[in-house]
Amino acid sequence: EIVMTQSPATLSVSPGERATLSCRASQSVSSNLAWYQQKPGQAPRLLIYGASTRATGIPARFSGSGSGTEFTLTISSLQSEDFAVYYCQQYNNWPPRTFGQGTKVEIK
Amino acid sequence: QVQLVESGGGLVKPGGSLRLSCAASGFTFSDYYMSWIRQAPGKGLEWVSYISSSGSTIYYADSVKGRFTISRDNAKNSLYLQMNSLRAEDTAVYYCARDAYPGMLPNWFDPWGQGTLVTVSS
Repeated sequence: EIVMTQSPATLSVSPGERATLSCRASQSVSSNLAWYQQKPGQAPRLLIYGASTRATGIPARFSGSGSGTEFTLTISSLQSEDFAVYYCQQYNNWPPRTFGQGTKVEIK
Repeated sequence: QVQLVESGGGLVKPGGSLRLSCAASGFTFSDYYMSWIRQAPGKGLEWVSYISSSGSTIYYADSVKGRFTISRDNAKNSLYLQMNSLRAEDTAVYYCARDAYPGMLPNWFDPWGQGTLVTVSS
């Protein structure tokens, strides 16, 4: 089973600032990585797939990069609606399709 | 629009059973692989089970293997999760999720339903 490790666990950022979230896989997942956003009381929402492709309707301030074992989600200028928990998930080697433990982006 | 609506959650005693349902609409359900994913209170996401479009291929997480059964009825556009021998650690919000593209592997989850809460407690 591939283990996904996200860092940091919590990221405190001021509105308008840049946020950089990391995700590491225990072995290569190629570019088969997705990012999801989850707000309190809501289901996760797809942000990024294929490591760097934005899903339909996702603002351009969200960008993904990386391949192999190291991945990054960048939010270029945080808006109030971006404060949430973000999960990475690999779908290269499965079952299972494993998730990271999440990074909470909170208001500084 | 594409929609997934879960139902069937509730309070059940340890050792008990529950059947979750997921009603799909807005797409050709029979074309898509489907999964159940759960989230314990305050915790992260855990994939539970997967079923192929025809139902011929099924996978389970080790944590539920032998206790949970996934199934689907393509005529009713519905996905199910039969949960037996429930434990306190099965307490979670259970989401159904669709593979993003039909018949394509590998694949990610999109969209997700709103979830249904299962509480296992005496």
